Amino acid sequence: AQSVAQPEDQVNVAEGNPLTVKCTYSVSGNPYLFWYVQYPNRGLQFLLKYITGDNLVKGSYGFEAEFNKSQTSFHLKKPSALVSDSALYFCAVRDYKLSFGAGTTVTVRA
Amino acid sequence: DTGVSQDPRHKITKRGQNVTFRCDPISEHNRLYWYRQTLGQGPEFLTYFQNEAQLEKSRLLSDRFSAERPKGSFSTLEIQRTEQGDSAMYLCASSLERTGVHEQYFGPGTRLTVT
Repeated sequence: AQSVAQPEDQVNVAEGNPLTVKCTYSVSGNPYLFWYVQYPNRGLQFLLKYITGDNLVKGSYGFEAEFNKSQTSFHLKKPSALVSDSALYFCAVRDYKLSFGAGTTVTVRA
Repeated sequence: DTGVSQDPRHKITKRGQNVTFRCDPISEHNRLYWYRQTLGQGPEFLTYFQNEAQLEKSRLLSDRFSAERPKGSFSTLEIQRTEQGDSAMYLCASSLERTGVHEQYFGPGTRLTVT
């Protein structure tokens, strides 16, 4: 079975500082990995995906993610966090369905 | 707005009642998915459709749950004889699957509270 793990329940950073949200995966075969963000009382919004190719994937709102096969990781990053980035972030792996991690709450303080 | 829409956004029902939720996917998306999300957890897959065919159902989808997508467009999810454990956010997503691996686009969800 395919799965992802998000080892941190919460991440707190100051505005302007780099933001990293961690994700590790377990799959058989090629991993198809996704990041989504969820704001309160709203559905999930797609940020980016890794299918194949370049290990650094760029997505929406200035986010990027680095795929690392040897460490089975797919960490989400943003060079300079904004207060508006405060939200719940989910990593997911896909076969025909998405299997999500438990989520990481990001709080960016002004 | 041409995103995924869900109706109702909130539903409060008494235990034992039946409820039905509707999802309208992005136009021309051929796949439609239902997920359930409880507080503090990531969404969990329930079922999905390719056009009007229901291709997979999770073991989470007990026989009290039924989903349809009669014309390959909108979908309904019905829960019969609701239980308090059914209280959750029910999310619908759609995608256009042709070649390659495509992202799923989610609706705002229907929050169900069973009292």
